[in-house]
Amino acid sequence: GEDVEQSLFLSVREGDSSVINCTYTDSSSTYLYWYKQEPGAGLQLLTYIFSNMDMKQDQRLTVLLNKKDKHLSLRIADTQTGDSAIYFCAERFSGNTPLVFGKGTRLSVIA
Amino acid sequence: GAVVSQHPSWVICKSGTSVKIECRSLDFQATTMFWYRQFPKQSLMLMATSNEGSKATYEQGVEKDKFLINHASLTLSTLTVTSAHPEDSSFYICSADSLQLEGTDTQYFGPGTRLTVL
Repeated sequence: GEDVEQSLFLSVREGDSSVINCTYTDSSSTYLYWYKQEPGAGLQLLTYIFSNMDMKQDQRLTVLLNKKDKHLSLRIADTQTGDSAIYFCAERFSGNTPLVFGKGTRLSVIA
Repeated sequence: GAVVSQHPSWVICKSGTSVKIECRSLDFQATTMFWYRQFPKQSLMLMATSNEGSKATYEQGVEKDKFLINHASLTLSTLTVTSAHPEDSSFYICSADSLQLEGTDTQYFGPGTRLTVL
């Protein structure tokens, strides 16, 4: 079955790097996503990675994928107070199928 | 990038009334849209998959007669909460696939609609 697990909370100091971890169980997932949700708002797509990739970097964001361990991580370099939000990891089997979300990690950035 | 809008952004209604929420893909066509529900401090739970021109596919435990979904065009899907009750109060979020736009299977989300039933 499908299941996506994330730690619920992470607290970092401004300027440090944040690493948010996620594990998934469906090895047939083709796409893996990271979304950001600020209070009272919808989901903002941050980045995604195909299952045949190991790493993807986009400015301050680095996604690492370990298919063997079914582990996905999101690293935010030089974390800012504006990065405080809930970050959702999600997996998807194929196109036109819904996403399966983790419970979200609440990132708090301390100035 | 792809933009998905929802209307209204929030609504307060009396128990027993029906509420319609619209989801639009503004700059791309979406053959498939999804409706999610999010309770406070919880993750998104898929309610149904909406396909243009056909009946929606509902997840187990979601009453299709209570949550009516209509995907009338490639840019519009509506969710109608019929005979709403306080337990239906939640944050409803829609999403749409942008396959045509980007050539990859990326799903973009609307800003959500907060429904409060008194």
